[in-house]
Amino acid sequence: NAGVTQTPKFRVLKTGQSMTLLCAQDMNHEYMYWYRQDPGMGLRLIHYSVGEGTTAKGEVPDGYNVSRLKKQNFLLGLESAAPSQTSVYFCASKGVSYNEQFFGPGTRLTVL
Amino acid sequence: ELKVEQNPLFLSMQEGKNYTIYCNYSTTSDRLYWYRQDPGKSLESLFVLLSNGAVKQEGRLMASLDTKARLSTLHITAAVHDLSATYFCAVDIPGGTSYGKLTFGQGTILTVHP
Repeated sequence: NAGVTQTPKFRVLKTGQSMTLLCAQDMNHEYMYWYRQDPGMGLRLIHYSVGEGTTAKGEVPDGYNVSRLKKQNFLLGLESAAPSQTSVYFCASKGVSYNEQFFGPGTRLTVL
Repeated sequence: ELKVEQNPLFLSMQEGKNYTIYCNYSTTSDRLYWYRQDPGKSLESLFVLLSNGAVKQEGRLMASLDTKARLSTLHITAAVHDLSATYFCAVDIPGGTSYGKLTFGQGTILTVHP
């Protein structure tokens, strides 16, 4: 099992460009999450999904959109990238019966 | 709104010494998690604490949870260089609409010196 994978690992964008980050999990987990990590602030929840076709806002959703068309995939989109979105993005998944979240390797995004 | 605070945020230790990292949270919960993160890496689960008085130990690390005080501690015994990393605590609010969402502390950057 690959667990949770993220694509790409690194990306540099110019202000105003758009992009999509892909998260995939092979553990048949119902719940999936997108977090961003900034120095000194821990991880903050952007959006989450409790099942295929459902999404909900987290703590810092502005400027991001998400979709979960398939149970194993959770996409995070940046519509018009801003320098404030420079961060490391982590995807995580969790089964309904499990207590732990499993994290992907992260995507380091720089917006110039 | 749930708030989770760790202290200290920076910890420089000598090898062989003991120290404790504290994690305070603002809302009733009995589900607390400790993670380790090495530079440039993802989060590695260390401990899952699911009840008041829970205590778990792994090697030189021991974590405990006091839900009445809304406090968890991560105790380091006889530190070694390999423990240098950033440590996060995270809290989950139990309940049907929580869906396992985690609120993280700021992280404690631990550096162990010879």
